Amino acid sequence: KQEVTQIPAALSVPEGENLVLNCSFTDSAIYNLQWFRQDPGKGLTSLLLIQSSQREQTSGRLNASLDKSSGRSTLYIAASQPGDSATYLCAAPPSRGGSEKLVFGKGTKLTVNP
Amino acid sequence: SQTIHQWPATLVQPVGSPLSLECTVEGTSNPNLYWYRQAAGRGLQLLFYSVGIGQISSEVPQNLSASRPQDRQFILSSKKLLLSDSGFYLCAWSPNPAMNTEAFFGQGTRLTVV
Repeated sequence: KQEVTQIPAALSVPEGENLVLNCSFTDSAIYNLQWFRQDPGKGLTSLLLIQSSQREQTSGRLNASLDKSSGRSTLYIAASQPGDSATYLCAAPPSRGGSEKLVFGKGTKLTVNP
Repeated sequence: SQTIHQWPATLVQPVGSPLSLECTVEGTSNPNLYWYRQAAGRGLQLLFYSVGIGQISSEVPQNLSASRPQDRQFILSSKKLLLSDSGFYLCAWSPNPAMNTEAFFGQGTRLTVV
């Protein structure tokens, strides 16, 4: 059964700092890994999708990496801004037992202080 | 482009009352559809998913049920709500098959059972 863990649970940084969020998963047989952002009381917004054959994806100030062999993914945020404050979640659908099920971590709550 | 609609945004219901939450997707056909629940301090829990009309898979035993009467409509129901049903409910969709594609979420329904 796929389990996804995100560390740290919460992170507070000053504006302008570069930061890394971590995601680990127990079953490395995944189709892809997806990073989401969730603002308080809102739904999830997809940020980046890394295919299992890829090692990283970039979108603006965001860069996500994937290391299937070690069961890890990182989300790098460059030059953080107060608007980046949100909860970030990763999800890894296992390729065994059905790709329909996105298994989520509990998220990292990021606060960027001005 | 594809959009997902989920309503209502908030709902306060007494214990023992029925529940019906609706989710519809536009701009795509034969999507995979999902209902998730997010309880305070906990991660996203997959409740139901559907790969086609009338096809519902339940992930956890509970007081809830789901139905897919039309291709792009997914309904979450309960005959009698419990206090423990309170939470943030999220509908999501992904293309079918879902292996290497993103999942997209609605804005969620905050359900409070009193």
